[in-house]
Amino acid sequence: EAQVTQNPRYLITVTGKKLTVTCSQNMNHEYMSWYRQDPGLGLRQIYYSMNVEVTDKGDVPEGYKVSRKEKRNFPLILESPSPNQTSLYFCASSQNNEQFFGPGTRLTVL
Amino acid sequence: DAKTTQPPSMDCAEGRAANLPCNHSTISGNEYVYWYRQIHSQGPQYIIHGLKNNETNEMASLIITEDRKSSTLILPHATLRDTAVYYCIVRLRRYNFNKFYFGSGTKLNVKP
Repeated sequence: EAQVTQNPRYLITVTGKKLTVTCSQNMNHEYMSWYRQDPGLGLRQIYYSMNVEVTDKGDVPEGYKVSRKEKRNFPLILESPSPNQTSLYFCASSQNNEQFFGPGTRLTVL
Repeated sequence: DAKTTQPPSMDCAEGRAANLPCNHSTISGNEYVYWYRQIHSQGPQYIIHGLKNNETNEMASLIITEDRKSSTLILPHATLRDTAVYYCIVRLRRYNFNKFYFGSGTKLNVKP
């Protein structure tokens, strides 16, 4: 089954404790992206990757890092999480006109 | 990318057609109209897209006016499972999916 998976689905952590949210897709898509969703602000793009080793900033990249060492994986790294990064995070992959989204990761930073 | 305007919410009776409008008066000639929906807090789901002509797939129909300044997404027989936030997005296809702005969308409430 074609899908985008994210782990973990839920995470509560504390300020400053480095964490990684993994994203994997099995559709051999070149393009992958990370979004965060906050009440009243909608979905905002954090980072995107056009292909392996090619990444670029979206609209809200501060406080985040990404890497694309292989086509199927696009992890989101929070080196020093802060409470304002509490949000619902979505990973997406696409090839043509359709983006496929993962199930989301709900992150709480205390 | 052109901005879009959608009503914040709409109601529809189960079994009836749901017609969701979107205004994009500043759309340029090579910008596409995309529709996505998000059910509760799940990942958004692609529905349909178009440039000038009306489009139909197994989920919905997209009607684009001749001047391309507005469009309507039609769910022909809405069910309770179609209750979701529907996003209308306009962008240049050649930029793939970077800077893909979802906006606030329309909350569609399908009622029994």
